[in-house]
Amino acid sequence: NAGVTQTPKFQVLKTGQSMTLQCAQDMNHEYMSWYRQDPGMGLRLIHYSVGAGITDQGEVPNGYNVSRSTTEDFPLRLLSAAPSQTSVYFCASSFTPGTGGVDTQYFGPGTRLTVL
Amino acid sequence: EDQVTQSPEALRLQEGESSSLNCSYTVSGLRGLFWYRQDPGKGPEFLFTLYSAGEEKEKERLKATLTKKESFLHITAPKPEDSATYLCAVLSTGGFKTIFGAGTRLFVKA
Repeated sequence: NAGVTQTPKFQVLKTGQSMTLQCAQDMNHEYMSWYRQDPGMGLRLIHYSVGAGITDQGEVPNGYNVSRSTTEDFPLRLLSAAPSQTSVYFCASSFTPGTGGVDTQYFGPGTRLTVL
Repeated sequence: EDQVTQSPEALRLQEGESSSLNCSYTVSGLRGLFWYRQDPGKGPEFLFTLYSAGEEKEKERLKATLTKKESFLHITAPKPEDSATYLCAVLSTGGFKTIFGAGTRLFVKA
């Protein structure tokens, strides 16, 4: 198993540009999520999905879009990049909480994004 | 609102000097409390899940405990390779949002 994979590892954007961060998992997990990590602030939830076709907002959703067309993939789209979106982005997956599976989230290696 | 506070922000230990990291939490109903280890430039790596007060789990030099208001990560006789950031997180019952603390950076000097 590859676990959770993310691409790209590094990205530099100019203000106003758009891009998609890719995330995939091969563990057949229903639950997937996106976090951003900023110095001194820990991980903050952006969006999450409890299954294909179902997504919802986390703590800091503004400026980001998600969709979930398959169980395996959960891309994160930046619509119009801003310097405040400079951060490290992590994707994670687990069995859907409360369904009897293990709640532990498994994280990808991260994407380091800089917006100039 | 669910909240997680970790202390201290940073901890410097000598090799072999045991200590504890604290995670205080506020949640409407606890489904699970998680501990992760994060090395620089990498994603968080799962350590433990605790579900109810009084529960304890151990792994090598690490032991996690849970009460109704806080969790401790005890590190016994740490080694330099234990240096990392340790993250605590909570998941409430009926919810899908895991809330993380800011983490404790641990430095272990040989």
